[in-house]
Parts: sequence; structure tokens; C-alpha cells
Amino acid sequence: EAGVVQSPRYKIIEKKQPVAFWCNPISGHNTLYWYLQNLGQGPELLIRYENEEAVDDSQLPKDRFSAERLKGVDSTLKIQPAELGDSAVYLCASSLVWTGNTGELFFGEGSRLTVL
Amino acid sequence: QKEVEQNSGPLSVPEGAIASLNCTYSDRGSQSFFWYRQYSGKSPELIMFIYSNGDKEDGRFTAQLNKASQYVSLLIRDSQPSDSATYLCAVRFAYGQNFVFGPGTRLSVLP
Repeated sequence: EAGVVQSPRYKIIEKKQPVAFWCNPISGHNTLYWYLQNLGQGPELLIRYENEEAVDDSQLPKDRFSAERLKGVDSTLKIQPAELGDSAVYLCASSLVWTGNTGELFFGEGSRLTVL
Repeated sequence: QKEVEQNSGPLSVPEGAIASLNCTYSDRGSQSFFWYRQYSGKSPELIMFIYSNGDKEDGRFTAQLNKASQYVSLLIRDSQPSDSATYLCAVRFAYGQNFVFGPGTRLSVLP
């Protein structure tokens, strides 16, 4: 079974440029998360989707970040314009939430962003 | 604001020793607790989860939970160099809710 797939793995851009990250969750997983991870820190939630609905985007900086999950499967996270402080690893995770399972997170390999 | 704290590292133990990793959380109503391992440059992977007070063992790993003290720990017996990684504690308030991660503890197992 394929895991969570993210692209690109690495991205280097200049500040003020736009950037987009793509995530394909594990087939059948109804919940999708975007996390930001700075070096030496734990993942911090940006947004959580249940199917197509963004159920928690309280930590998403909406002035420059946007996300979508069309048809409740793939998701895209966009930053426009990027700032130096956005340099980090952007992790996508998915889970299957239904009564009786643990609902644990499965992470993709991450997209490492460097803003110059 | 739900917070998760972990003992500061890095933690160094000799090969074959027991490594003890600790985690405390602020929200007394939290229900589920997870330990993830993250190798350098890789994504986190689940090691164990625990819901009930007490110990839960899986091979060389034991998770311990004390909800009254708001404390969860991970013990790694017979530590191996391949256990060298960052260990992340994650707390979920309720089923289907968000996971809140601690900052992680970096473990080094010395041959």
C-alpha cells in the first residue's frame, strides 16, 4: 500500500515568490493534516481537513497561506508571497478516523522549503 | 492552549542501556498519547500509543501513562545505535481531534 506522497521534496525560492506543495494521502484516509516543522521542533498544525471540509485552520496564517482539498483526496498548500521565516519542512499527514481504530497519523516525507 | 513538554536533550546512553524519555501535557482531559520516532531528515513514524493508565509493552519499548500526574513516558530497553533519533510525544484531546506535538527529545545511543 502506498504511503502519503508529497511533492516537491525540496524547493528553494527567493522571498516574495509564490510556492505550492502537493499531498496525496493514503487511499481511503478521510482526514488530512498539514504541519509545519522547524529545525529542532515538533510539528505544528497548520490545517486539518475532514473529507473536503477544513475543520481547523485556526493556525494557518491566512494573509499568505491558503490550502485546498478538492474532492476530499489530494491537497495543495500555497504560500504567496513567501517570507524568510517560512523556511521549514512542510509535512502532510493522513489518518482514517472511524470508531474502533486508533486514528494515528501517517506522515509523508515532507517538503523542505528554503526562502532566500 | 494545549501544551506538550518533553525533557530537553540530547540524551546519550550506552548501547544496551535503558533510555527513558519523558513527556508532560497541560490539558487534563487529554485521552490519547502517541510516541513517534523521527530519524534525521525523515518523517515521523509511530512507535506506540497508549490510552489507559499504566504500562504498555511492545518488544523493547514500554509506554507508561499517569493521567493524574499528566505524564507519559517511553522506555527503550537494550538500546541500540539504530534507536538514535528524535522521539516526539503527541497528545490528542479526544478521538478525531488534533494531535499536539512536543518539541522532541534527541536520543543518541553510543556503541
